Amino acid sequence: DAGVIQSPRHEVTEMGQEVTLRCKPISGHDYLFWYRQTMMRGLELLIYFNNNVPIDDSGMPEDRFSAKMPNASFSTLKIQPSEPRDSAVYFCASRSSKTVLYEQYFGPGTRLTVT
Amino acid sequence: SQQGEEDPQALSIQEGENATMNCSYKTSINNLQWYRQNSGRGLVHLILIRSNEREKHSGRLRVTLDTSKKSSSLLITASRAADTASYFCAMTPNTGTASKLTFGTGTRLQVTL
Repeated sequence: DAGVIQSPRHEVTEMGQEVTLRCKPISGHDYLFWYRQTMMRGLELLIYFNNNVPIDDSGMPEDRFSAKMPNASFSTLKIQPSEPRDSAVYFCASRSSKTVLYEQYFGPGTRLTVT
Repeated sequence: SQQGEEDPQALSIQEGENATMNCSYKTSINNLQWYRQNSGRGLVHLILIRSNEREKHSGRLRVTLDTSKKSSSLLITASRAADTASYFCAMTPNTGTASKLTFGTGTRLQVTL
């Protein structure tokens, strides 16, 4: 398996622009998580899905952030409009409920810079 | 939300030495996991210890859990330069959803030759 795939790996955009981050989870995994990592706040859970349904979005910082999972193999995290404080590394992770372990598999991340 | 505090924030040792990292948390947990993050990469799961376990081993890794003190430690024995990375503890709460992980602040480990 290719693992969790994220695109783009790097994104540089200007303040006010829309940014869309993409994730393809591991095939067969029914949970998908979006995290944000910064030096100041560490690794924060933004939202997670189970069977394509958003379960907990309490970590989404504000209405400028939205996430969708239209099918089991694709999810997007959108920021509109983007602000410099959104600069961070965004990780997508997935896991399967069919295993007794709770381990999550992380993608390589998208490094977002908003100027 | 609960967050783990890790200690030390940074650790520098020589190859062959042992490295110990500690994690403290605030509320009741179902399990605690440790992850490694190499620079510029995603996190990789290392080991999981359940709340009813006290110690677990995996290769050169040894994890302990003391639920009375709400703390865990990760020991890496006979460290190698390739162990250089950041290490995070992650807690699954004992209430609510078992899917939600809360990560600690991380320990940056540097192993020098």
